[in-house]
Amino acid sequence: AQSVTQLGSHVSVSEGALVLLRCNYSSSVPPYLFWYVQYPNQGLQLLLKYTSAATLVKGINDFEAEFKKSETSFHLTKPSAHMSDAAEYFCALQTGANNLFFGTGTRLTVIP
Amino acid sequence: SQTIHQWPATLVQPVGSPLSLECTVEGTSNPNLYWYRQAAGRGLQLLFYSVGIGQISSEVPQNLSASRPQDRQFILSSKKLLLSDSGFYLCAWSPMGGEPNYGYTFGSGTRLTVV
Repeated sequence: AQSVTQLGSHVSVSEGALVLLRCNYSSSVPPYLFWYVQYPNQGLQLLLKYTSAATLVKGINDFEAEFKKSETSFHLTKPSAHMSDAAEYFCALQTGANNLFFGTGTRLTVIP
Repeated sequence: SQTIHQWPATLVQPVGSPLSLECTVEGTSNPNLYWYRQAAGRGLQLLFYSVGIGQISSEVPQNLSASRPQDRQFILSSKKLLLSDSGFYLCAWSPMGGEPNYGYTFGSGTRLTVV
């Protein structure tokens, strides 16, 4: 069975501090993994995706994520948080054309 | 380039009234189409998906229905809204027959409040 677990429904960081949002997955087939960001009352925007080409994936706005098969993880990081990063972040796993599984989301708050 | 349009952006409807939300995709043919709901404090719930005109798969039994009258048009409907239908509705698309590494592209969402 496929599933995605996001550890921590709420994360707060100070402006300029490291952002770390955790995502673990379970999949019986090689996974394709995604991070999406959602700003209030908006749709989901793709931040980055892992498609087996490279384990360290860089996305928009200086976000990056590292695929670690041994840990079944795909954590999202950003070296320095900005106020505009405050949003909800979703990790997702895709195993087929119509099989995209989302985590429950992590709300990031950036403290000035 | 491909774009996805969803409207209206916000909607306030009384209990028992009908609902029609529309989603259209431009710049691609034969897309897979999806309707998601996001209730307050909850994650994303897949409601329906469609792989072609008139082909609808329902993921969760509920008070809603979906239709795909045209290749790039996906409609979410209800005959009589319930309070529990309130939420944020998102339409999404992915390429037909595409590799599972594409992900989905989402519309901007509709905030539905049933009063």
